[in-house]
Amino acid sequence: NAGVTQTPKFQVLKTGQSMTLQCAQDMNHNSMYWYRQDPGMGLRLIYYSASEGTTDKGEVPNGYNVSRLNKREFSLRLESAAPSQTSVYFCATTGARNEQFFGPGTRLTVL
Amino acid sequence: QKEVEQDPGPLSVPEGAIVSLNCTYSNSAFQYFMWYRQYSRKGPELLMYTYSSGNKEDGRFTAQVDKSSKYISLFIRDSQPSDSATYLCAMSATGGFKTIFGAGTRLFVKA
Repeated sequence: NAGVTQTPKFQVLKTGQSMTLQCAQDMNHNSMYWYRQDPGMGLRLIYYSASEGTTDKGEVPNGYNVSRLNKREFSLRLESAAPSQTSVYFCATTGARNEQFFGPGTRLTVL
Repeated sequence: QKEVEQDPGPLSVPEGAIVSLNCTYSNSAFQYFMWYRQYSRKGPELLMYTYSSGNKEDGRFTAQVDKSSKYISLFIRDSQPSDSATYLCAMSATGGFKTIFGAGTRLFVKA
């Protein structure tokens, strides 16, 4: 039982490059989330998926797209990376009591 | 004004001290209150969970919720160097899909 897994763990991109961050959960939860975490800013919600087949914007969606591939997987895509997207990205799911379970994170640097 | 306010610290205490961490919030609809612990370069992990008002104790940790004052607290007794981490408060409303996080308080416990 791995919980929430994320790949890759680290990534360095050049401005303008694209990439997809992958997230998978084996907790059988319906809701999945993507956050970014920056110093002094806390966790900011990028996109979330309340259930398979639905996605909604969060607080900071600009420059990102998401795909809820199935109940287990939720990916985050950067189409044209910018230095402002340098951050640590966390995927999370929500349990029955509204508590969130987080993956280990992806550290992204955009040069 | 942010929905959730949390002093970022850092807070430095000697081993064995009692630590008090706090958050204030503005949304009276919040019913689920959580504390997460995040070690450096790791994802947040759920530490304490409280529904509505009241206290909850788990070992050295006590979580308190005062809905009338819109104030939540986390107390750590007999603090240990292994408690050195960032502590994030979080809260959500019934039926809501979004969890709002505080910015996190960095705690250092000196041996």
